[in-house]
Amino acid sequence: EPEVTQTPSHQVTQMGQEVILRCVPISNHLYFYWYRQILGQKVEFLVSFYNNEISEKSEIFDDQFSVERPDGSNFTLKIRSTKLEDSAMYFCASSEVQGYSGELFFGEGSRLTVL
Amino acid sequence: GNSVTQMEGPVTLSEEAFLTINCTYTATGYPSLFWYVQYPGEGLQLLLKATKADDKGSNKGFEATYRKETTSFHLEKGSVQVSDSAVYFCALSQRAQKLVFGQGTRLTINP
Repeated sequence: EPEVTQTPSHQVTQMGQEVILRCVPISNHLYFYWYRQILGQKVEFLVSFYNNEISEKSEIFDDQFSVERPDGSNFTLKIRSTKLEDSAMYFCASSEVQGYSGELFFGEGSRLTVL
Repeated sequence: GNSVTQMEGPVTLSEEAFLTINCTYTATGYPSLFWYVQYPGEGLQLLLKATKADDKGSNKGFEATYRKETTSFHLEKGSVQVSDSAVYFCALSQRAQKLVFGQGTRLTINP
């Protein structure tokens, strides 16, 4: 069964360092997303991406964050200069169609720990 | 803005017990409603959904009915199994497919 894969599963970094989280969405999907969950809190929307550009982003997704689809298969989230409060589980998701009835398929998540 | 509130966890039940996890929402218009499940070590998986009022979503013995009058989408299962142990997330979506999640409810089923 096709699945969304994410790497790394866990990354520990020092505050101020750049981090890149990688995702391989399901191959025929066209819409891509990043969500995050700070420990004990809700899963929060960060950004959606379609046709090689951001289609929507949340207030959390400030200038420190960027997304890219560099090669037609990977979908990356970059955090330019990590802060302690960026420590969270980051989930990538993809979907085949747009619209409120479309199903999002999620990866297992990448846990980021900022020291 | 849109929001989802779930019952606080963790919830611990014995096998074959009846399960209810409450979920209420705040939204303008008519959102679609979802339950996602996260088994240990895995990603979020869609469990069931309902896209309009009075719809009932069902899957793997779980059910939830979209109640617009009470703005609720409670998850139920008549007889839980150890394998149902997971974290359950209620969520809503409007038009642009951005999901708004509740805080999640951890469910543990003891044999």
